[in-house]
Parts: sequence; C-alpha cells; structure tokens
Amino acid sequence: DAGVIQSPRHEVTEMGQEVTLRCKPISGHNSLFWYRQTMMRGLELLIYFNNNVPIDDSGMPEDRFSAKMPNASFSTLKIQPSEPRDSAVYFCASRPGQGATYEQYFGPGTRLTVT
Amino acid sequence: DAKTTQPNSMESNEEEPVHLPCNHSTISGTDYIHWYRQLPSQGPEYVIHGLTSNVNNRMASLAIAEDRKSSTLILHRATLRDAAVYYCILIASGNTGKLIFGQGTTLQVKP
Repeated sequence: DAGVIQSPRHEVTEMGQEVTLRCKPISGHNSLFWYRQTMMRGLELLIYFNNNVPIDDSGMPEDRFSAKMPNASFSTLKIQPSEPRDSAVYFCASRPGQGATYEQYFGPGTRLTVT
Repeated sequence: DAKTTQPNSMESNEEEPVHLPCNHSTISGTDYIHWYRQLPSQGPEYVIHGLTSNVNNRMASLAIAEDRKSSTLILHRATLRDAAVYYCILIASGNTGKLIFGQGTTLQVKP
C-alpha cells in the first residue's frame, strides 16, 4: 500500500501565480480531507469530501481557494491568485469510512512557499 | 466539539515509560478520544482511540478515567523515534469524523 500520495512535495511560486496541489488517496477510502499547517495557526481543516462530494468547506480561507475531487482516486486544491500568507504545509488525508471510529491517513504534505 | 487541554511539552528518557495527559472536562457521552502524533517534517499519524474502556495496540495504550474527563496516552518504552507532537482530539460519534487539532504536547526523548 503506497499510502496517501501528494504532489508536488515542494512548491515555490511568486505572488499572483496559480498553484495546484494534488492528492491521491488510499484506494478504497471514501473520505478525503485537506489541511493546512502554519506555525501561527497550527493544523487547520480546509475542506473534506465524502464519496467525492464536498461536505464541509467552512475552513477554506477565501474565494482564492478551491478544491475538487473529480473521482475517487484524485483531488486537487487550487490557489488563484496565490499570496505570501498562503505559505504553509498542505496535507491531504483519507479515511476508509465515515464516522468517529475511523482513523485518518495523512500524506507527506506539500510545502508551499509564495514569494 | 468539546475542547481538550494538554501540556505544551514533556521530556522523557529513552527506554522509560511516558504518560501523556489530556483533560477534556466537557466531553459528552458519545465523544470518542483520539490520539494522533506528528513526527518532525511528516504528516500526522493515528496512534489510538477509545470511548470508555482502556485500549491497547502495538503503538501505545490509552487509559481513560472513569468519569471520562481525562485520559492518558502511555508509551511503554520511549524511543528516540517517539519524539513528536502528540494531539488529543475528541470526535462526536454522530460527527462526520473531521479532526480539529489543538496545540498538542511536544515530547522530547533524551538518550
């Protein structure tokens, strides 16, 4: 089992550019989560999907952020336009079921730097 | 979701047991207690979870107080690889299971 796969692992871009982060969840998992981690705010949930449908996007900071899950094996988080305050580590996680007894499996993260 | 309180940091010696406390005085009867940890430069990883009874797995043990207002994660024999930030998180059973991370406890393990 390859685990949750994220790409790229590192991204450096200039302010105003579009950034797309990618995630491949573990096969068979039907829930997917995007988190952001910064020193100031810690780990924050941005959005999560269940069976490819966005369930809660209340953590998405603003309209510059968007996430899609076109199928069960792929999700993207897009920032357009990017700003320096978006610099953070972005984690994707998946889960095999819905509810409080299931554990989440996290990817290695994408470290985004916006200059 | 109910709030948890953890010490900011703890230290341990290698090969000794470690007891990481978590207070959750406002826990409801259907809240599960989950523990995750985050090793340096890695994503969080699941450690253990429980509802009322103590739980054991290959990584750790979870001791839950009888009134459920506190719990303790026990690492039976700390290794250098256990140095990480440990998060105690409550998840309501009817919740969709999303995790809300606090600041956690940073565990240092000394050789």
